[in-house]
Amino acid sequence: QSVLTQPPSASGTPGQRVIISCSGSSSNIGRNIVNWYQQLPGTAPKLLMYSDNQRPSGVPDRFSGSKSGTSASLAISGLQSEDEADYYCAAWDDSLNGPVFGGGTQLAVL
Amino acid sequence: QVRLRESGPGLLKPSETLSLTCTVSGGSVSSGNYYWSWIRQPPGKGLEWITHVYYSGSTNYNPALKSRVTFSLDMSKNQFSLRLSSVTAADTAVYYCARGAAAAAALGAFDIWGLGTMVTVSS
Repeated sequence: QSVLTQPPSASGTPGQRVIISCSGSSSNIGRNIVNWYQQLPGTAPKLLMYSDNQRPSGVPDRFSGSKSGTSASLAISGLQSEDEADYYCAAWDDSLNGPVFGGGTQLAVL
Repeated sequence: QVRLRESGPGLLKPSETLSLTCTVSGGSVSSGNYYWSWIRQPPGKGLEWITHVYYSGSTNYNPALKSRVTFSLDMSKNQFSLRLSSVTAADTAVYYCARGAAAAAALGAFDIWGLGTMVTVSS
């Protein structure tokens, strides 16, 4: 059972906009920044978004992040087949004094 | 460019102790404002943080695993290691080492990951 809650799956067609949600609590998302990871099949996770809405170098601006209260979301616009992957949200948890992750959302591009 | 590489046995029997090492190249474990971390992912499941050490040497553990985990940092070899005792089938997972940001502006963001190493616990 993951500390952060994400929908297990999401889908969209090429060109569409998809939003993946992430819900937490006052000890994690409510107090700390949210980071997002993209994991392609058989590979290590890759940092996709940090500090709620900052993209690391090389991440397309089709990806955007937002946060409100104890929830966060990742939006992917102009969906492409290469976006088919698992997406994980994460945040520092003050109770744990370490990071907690969501269970992951498997994105299918139909 | 900083790179991380995990090494260790891929197959263990129940009750044995798992030992993994992460070798850091292109950078130093003693520099910067980072957490050096171990994270695992059971087959078909999500990510679970296990432990980390701050570059200053302070260590934290996931409470669910704390009683079985030992973390060590070898600055002379630029490595950090994980030992997990009394393993069971539930410890079967891909184990990743990763570098996490300690700066408040990017707290906990794991920007560099190793490729991961699959560990299977089976009799």
